[in-house]
Amino acid sequence: DAKTTQPTSMDCAEGRAANLPCNHSTISGNEYVYWYRQIHSQGPQYIIHGLKNNETNEMASLIITEDRKSSTLILPHATLRDTAVYYCIVRPSNTGNQFYFGTGTSLTVIP
Amino acid sequence: GAVVSQHPSWVICKSGTSVKIECRSLDFQATTMFWYRQFPKQSLMLMATSNEGSKATYEQGVEKDKFLINHASLTLSTLTVTSAHPEDSSFYICSALPLNTEAFFGQGTRLTVV
Repeated sequence: DAKTTQPTSMDCAEGRAANLPCNHSTISGNEYVYWYRQIHSQGPQYIIHGLKNNETNEMASLIITEDRKSSTLILPHATLRDTAVYYCIVRPSNTGNQFYFGTGTSLTVIP
Repeated sequence: GAVVSQHPSWVICKSGTSVKIECRSLDFQATTMFWYRQFPKQSLMLMATSNEGSKATYEQGVEKDKFLINHASLTLSTLTVTSAHPEDSSFYICSALPLNTEAFFGQGTRLTVV
């Protein structure tokens, strides 16, 4: 079961930061927050994940609130190629646990 | 990141025939693979979890006799859609778990049953 709530859609101007929120108020202590994105007619692409500390990689930053009930994915300088559906997933760290996808946020980057 | 390859990318088959989709982890071993189905404008729906050397675990409502999953090696899992019908037309996606961290996804297989 998806345990996250995301806005259905968002727009972002090209070159600006895209901030995508996710609510996961029932998250458990051993559950990580994962972010994936899916460009039309392709398989999902891994972006980033974290437990409680903020994380940054070459694609994005993940900001997790102190109570871990919500998080924000930040794309620092959005490009047109970042137009996609972004999925926030919470998942226990145990081996073999499934990734259940919610409805995600459809991000449109506008020129 | 790790590479997961699906084959074929798209397939058209006649109603009543069976179709096999392959999912390979190219640069890592995966004891666990997942199979998803995605209808237009909808999210990914998990169909089953495939564990190497054992029977797959199917999600509620997914017919195991219709969607046969074989995970015979650490780099290959197959999904066979048996006696396909037009309502089985969908986008099928596999993913593989190299470690107990992030899963990597294949590019998907577009199945059209006519």
